[in-house]
Amino acid sequence: GQNIDQPTEMTATEGAIVQINCTYQTSGFNGLFWYQQHAGEAPTFLSYNVLDGLEEKGRFSSFLSRSKGYSYLLLKELQMKDSASYLCAVRDEGSYIPTFGRGTSLIVHP
Amino acid sequence: EAQVTQNPRYLITVTGKKLTVTCSQNMNHEYMSWYRQDPGLGLRQIYYSMNVEVTDKGDVPEGYKVSRKEKRNFPLILESPSPNQTSLYFCASSFRPIGRGVSGANVLTFGAGSRLTVL
Repeated sequence: GQNIDQPTEMTATEGAIVQINCTYQTSGFNGLFWYQQHAGEAPTFLSYNVLDGLEEKGRFSSFLSRSKGYSYLLLKELQMKDSASYLCAVRDEGSYIPTFGRGTSLIVHP
Repeated sequence: EAQVTQNPRYLITVTGKKLTVTCSQNMNHEYMSWYRQDPGLGLRQIYYSMNVEVTDKGDVPEGYKVSRKEKRNFPLILESPSPNQTSLYFCASSFRPIGRGVSGANVLTFGAGSRLTVL
């Protein structure tokens, strides 16, 4: 199993940059996912990292360091619609099944 | 449109009255799963299925049953609901991952959620 830790809540200003961290402990690593979830809605996929380094996708980037058990999601040019929960999920070696962290609630204010 | 459909979306019921939450996907996914989401606890897996007639317990299976008789359907059954099962439930599905790397990313498609209240 995994132990996944992310901050409960963060606030940021529209137009700014915010970094949401996720640390994990796992017996064998097989991929890390980030999902976005607006209040009352279903989670939607943002990014996937299985190798060390940065994956960039428009305003969103995700970084992974396997040796440190660490990932972050970077959101640039924040918009009000980015206010949501961001879920980090980790998959064990040999498993299809990701385990989700408790999520980070991001509040973007004007 | 590729989607996961859950019903009902909202339900208020009473303790002990059996209920079923249906889940259907039209993407020919092998893997399906049920989660419950509670404030401060995140998404917790209840049951999952790797393929037809193959189901297994997740982290919080007590009080729930599932079946996978057809590939597209994965109903969640509460035989005798109790108030501690009041929650927001999500069904999700994906392809089985192939190897490692990006092709191994089994991205989950979630249903819209079912908000259940047990009185």
